[in-house]
Amino acid sequence: SQQGEEDPQALSIQEGENATMNCSYKTSINNLQWYRQNSGRGLVHLILIRSNEREKHSGRLRVTLDTSKKSSSLLITASRAADTASYFCATDAPGNTPLVFGKGTRLSVIA
Amino acid sequence: SAVISQKPSRDICQRGTSLTIQCQVDSQVTMMFWYRQQPGQSLTLIATANQGSEATYESGFVIDKFPISRPNLTFSTLTVSNMSPEDSSIYLCSANKGGGYNEQFFGPGTRLTVL
Repeated sequence: SQQGEEDPQALSIQEGENATMNCSYKTSINNLQWYRQNSGRGLVHLILIRSNEREKHSGRLRVTLDTSKKSSSLLITASRAADTASYFCATDAPGNTPLVFGKGTRLSVIA
Repeated sequence: SAVISQKPSRDICQRGTSLTIQCQVDSQVTMMFWYRQQPGQSLTLIATANQGSEATYESGFVIDKFPISRPNLTFSTLTVSNMSPEDSSIYLCSANKGGGYNEQFFGPGTRLTVL
């Protein structure tokens, strides 16, 4: 069964606004990763956050992880039309296991 | 990081035929995986491709339907056998270099349509 559940399923914002997507998971994890997928294409790796980390930044992206709540959030600041895509969280358990994906959030940034 | 390529990028196939998808990584990797993404859905793991041994399949996926090869540390193939329209999906190859960090990279995907 899928581990992560993203929230919201779909999000529409104006260019320049911030976008926040949330991910919840059910069992203990080793890492949590966020990916972007443009329509019908492959996945682009955005950020990996380890279970012992609480926050990571990469450019306009900020990821937080709260293992006590089994949740993570992805914040995209100053969004652009090019950020329009589906965003997925994925988790792996200790032991180098394959990733299990959530259902994804479809983000639309309107120019 | 690892750069992953897949061939073909897309194909349209007839019911009952088989298609083999190739995945090439630009460097040696520990783990390789195959995922399926049905239209409008998230990714579902089909199997872990093990180098030199049989693949490890997830529940709901069987070797007869999705035979996988991994002859070395940079290459793998997935065959979709005896296809039906329900097999129409994007098939994605993925890899990580292991070592505990488990950053996982994906190929561009193969979009398969079965008529």
